Amino acid sequence: GAVVSQHPSWVICKSGTSVKIECRSLDFQATTMFWYRQFPKQSLMLMATSNEGSKATYEQGVEKDKFLINHASLTLSTLTVTSAHPEDSSFYICSARLARTSTDTQYFGPGTRLTVL
Amino acid sequence: KNEVEQSPQNLTAQEGEFITINCSYSVGISALHWLQQHPGGGIVSLFMLSSGKKKHGRLIATINIQEKHSSLHITASHPRDSAVYICAVPRIQGAQKLVFGQGTRLTINP
Repeated sequence: GAVVSQHPSWVICKSGTSVKIECRSLDFQATTMFWYRQFPKQSLMLMATSNEGSKATYEQGVEKDKFLINHASLTLSTLTVTSAHPEDSSFYICSARLARTSTDTQYFGPGTRLTVL
Repeated sequence: KNEVEQSPQNLTAQEGEFITINCSYSVGISALHWLQQHPGGGIVSLFMLSSGKKKHGRLIATINIQEKHSSLHITASHPRDSAVYICAVPRIQGAQKLVFGQGTRLTINP
């Protein structure tokens, strides 16, 4: 089946630093990738939609200058949390949509747990 | 009212029991996702279905498009099935953005 990986799986950083999270589709091409954030005991919240070769579309309330998304290839999207603060500590999850199908198939990555001290 | 409602929110059962988790949605959809999130946080896609029933091992998912309702069943439940189960539907029929239920926390005791 389709596999999506994320790296790193967890990261601890100091306040003010930037953190990059990678999302890769390992055995398929993904024209679209989605980035989600999940706070403890809450459901996933969509942050942005990333299309290969174009600018990401951010959901309302998500700062595009703080959460930089780059989708440079059909298998890789990156999320950079710039000038991270403790309130950015969360679980970040990506999903990738199969390019060869018109259905709503999405495959989820394992997530990255970010802790900002 | 949430667009996607799951019930129950929490479920504790004994090993071997038959488990049913329900999902009702109010939006028109073309497909519904069932996801499993383990305590470590990782999410696994269990099913994507648009009609009828799908089965994978001890897991069965059914959907009734007319009633806008889906169920996830686990037969012969095992402690390793303990996780949060989430249903998700596209916000708009045919769209890519998903709306997620609040999740059902399942605990299977040995």
